Amino acid sequence: EDQVTQSPEALRLQEGESSSLNCSYTVSGLRGLFWYRQDPGKGPEFLFTLYSAGEEKEKERLKATLTKKESFLHITAPKPEDSATYLCAVQGWETSGSRLTFGEGTQLTVNP
Amino acid sequence: EAQVTQNPRYLITVTGKKLTVTCSQNMNHEYMSWYRQDPGLGLRQIYYSMNVEVTDKGDVPEGYKVSRKEKRNFPLILESPSPNQTSLYFCASSPGDRLYNEQFFGPGTRLTVL
Repeated sequence: EDQVTQSPEALRLQEGESSSLNCSYTVSGLRGLFWYRQDPGKGPEFLFTLYSAGEEKEKERLKATLTKKESFLHITAPKPEDSATYLCAVQGWETSGSRLTFGEGTQLTVNP
Repeated sequence: EAQVTQNPRYLITVTGKKLTVTCSQNMNHEYMSWYRQDPGLGLRQIYYSMNVEVTDKGDVPEGYKVSRKEKRNFPLILESPSPNQTSLYFCASSPGDRLYNEQFFGPGTRLTVL
């Protein structure tokens, strides 16, 4: 059974204070690891897909990295508008139906 | 504008009263899916559809039905809702092929069953 654990549950940063969010996973052959952003009262918004260990993706102040057991979402010089819940999800090759297994998320608050 | 729409956005109902939550996408996506989101449990897949007339169970299908008669629509049906189905529901779609897991989510439907 695929499993995803995200840490910390909540993170409070000052504007400009860089940090990282962690996503640890177990999966029967990783097909893909996904990062989403979710704002209060809205649906998750796709950020990145990572397919193999060593891969990195960047988008503005966000950078996602992947190892064989975990992924990090690095946030460089965050701004208040980066405040959101960040969700990590995985899919394994033995998982049917494009099913994504999600973690519970990290709630990020960036104070001005 | 490319989007996934859900209706209604909010619904309060009573135990046993059949209801349908509609989902529609305008991106010509092949793949569609329903999730529920609960505190402490995260997002869990209910049902998915790989194409018209092709549907299958996700992680938590009990108490739900779906149909996919048209490519753009994927309604979620609760034949006899119970209080444990009180949750936040999301519909999602994706284009297929290598990008099929870059899923686009709808705005959500908050359901309360009394």
